[in-house]
Amino acid sequence: QVQLRESGPGLVKPSETLSLTCTVSAASLSSYYWSWIRQPPGKGLEWIGYIYDDGSANYNPSLKSRITISADTSKNQFSLNLIAVTAADTALYYCARANASHAFDVWGQGTMVTVSS
Amino acid sequence: QSALTQPASVSGSPDQSITISCTGTSSDIGTFRLVSWYQQHPGKAPKLLISEVTKRPSGVSDRFSGFKSGNTASLTISGLQAEDEADYYCCSYAGRSTWVFGGGTKLTVV
Repeated sequence: QVQLRESGPGLVKPSETLSLTCTVSAASLSSYYWSWIRQPPGKGLEWIGYIYDDGSANYNPSLKSRITISADTSKNQFSLNLIAVTAADTALYYCARANASHAFDVWGQGTMVTVSS
Repeated sequence: QSALTQPASVSGSPDQSITISCTGTSSDIGTFRLVSWYQQHPGKAPKLLISEVTKRPSGVSDRFSGFKSGNTASLTISGLQAEDEADYYCCSYAGRSTWVFGGGTKLTVV
């Protein structure tokens, strides 16, 4: 079945760039919204943004100025770049697939990113 | 884009039923029948329980059901079991290719 796996540094310094990659197995990057969602420690879920199979992307308005989501179809991966991070960006970052019902039906296991000097 | 409003916690006894509310606005829940619900056990990724307000994916127990009226959606869990103790999140498509989550509800089975 479809599996997602996040990868990237677990520690990022303040003001630097957070970069994560999600590798998709048993499916191609087509016909779905490939998304990033985060969860600060002890808090709720926050939708970050998505990239669609046509390469279009959209982002949470509160993060839009700092985010880029891109895809590499040859590697079946999509990536998140978040610039100028602060401690408030410390969170468990999930990649997930949103289906035609606009529901997130497949999730990665999550990767913890801590912003600290 | 504000988070959907959920109660911080609910509790129930085994075999009872509980309902978790999720209040949004006319820009999200009120406009779209694209509400989903997720269950998250500690240390685990969220799991999809309900999509499009009422639809259960294959493999999800029929003890979980969803409903929507106006700007408020709800999740009902009937026949509570100990394994249902978890955090629950609602989510709505909010138009303009954006999504919004609720703050989450901790369910305790006492």
